[in-house]
Amino acid sequence: AQTVTQSQPEMSVQEAETVTLSCTYDTSESDYYLFWYKQPPSRQMILVIRQEAYKQQNATENRFSVNFQKAAKSFSLKISDSQLGDAAMYFCAYRSEYTGNQFYFGTGTSLTVIP
Amino acid sequence: SAVISQKPSRDICQRGTSLTIQCQVDSQVTMMFWYRQQPGQSLTLIATANQGSEATYESGFVIDKFPISRPNLTFSTLTVSNMSPEDSSIYLCSVEKTSSYEQYFGPGTRLTVT
Repeated sequence: AQTVTQSQPEMSVQEAETVTLSCTYDTSESDYYLFWYKQPPSRQMILVIRQEAYKQQNATENRFSVNFQKAAKSFSLKISDSQLGDAAMYFCAYRSEYTGNQFYFGTGTSLTVIP
Repeated sequence: SAVISQKPSRDICQRGTSLTIQCQVDSQVTMMFWYRQQPGQSLTLIATANQGSEATYESGFVIDKFPISRPNLTFSTLTVSNMSPEDSSIYLCSVEKTSSYEQYFGPGTRLTVT
């Protein structure tokens, strides 16, 4: 099974600053999908951004962008102009193109935004 | 995206009893998933539920303990049977929209077993 590693259990950032959350994964597949999910305290998990492995261009959604390094199997999330509402647990996830619909989640990074 | 609701949102149950959690989606979906999440931890997949077929369980989860129903394309239930305090957790359902490869999550059911 694929493994997803988030090596930063906790991160903090000053409001309006930029923070990068790290994610690495282990796979022998060439086609797959990567995701970042956000789970605010006691609230619903929501999709932040997705990246298709066949795309070289890094995905961007407003203040959120990724740095996808396929050869290094790295998929980091950059949050620019951090806001208080960005405080949450962030999960990186992997989905295979071929071997079923299962998502493999990392252990999460808890992000604190300091006013 | 998809709008997903779960009932109940939380419950406190006694050891040895069972609880059925409902998951309702606002559109038809083929794939539904049930996860367990300990507070502050990652998600563990319990099973995948396709409409019209038996649910597929992950290692460590069995149908007798976590029976699942999937009567139509917008609804599923997960039952936690013969509960023990170790079953205290958050249970999440999610759906995958066909051809999007994205999963959307319900708000979760927080279960406490005493």
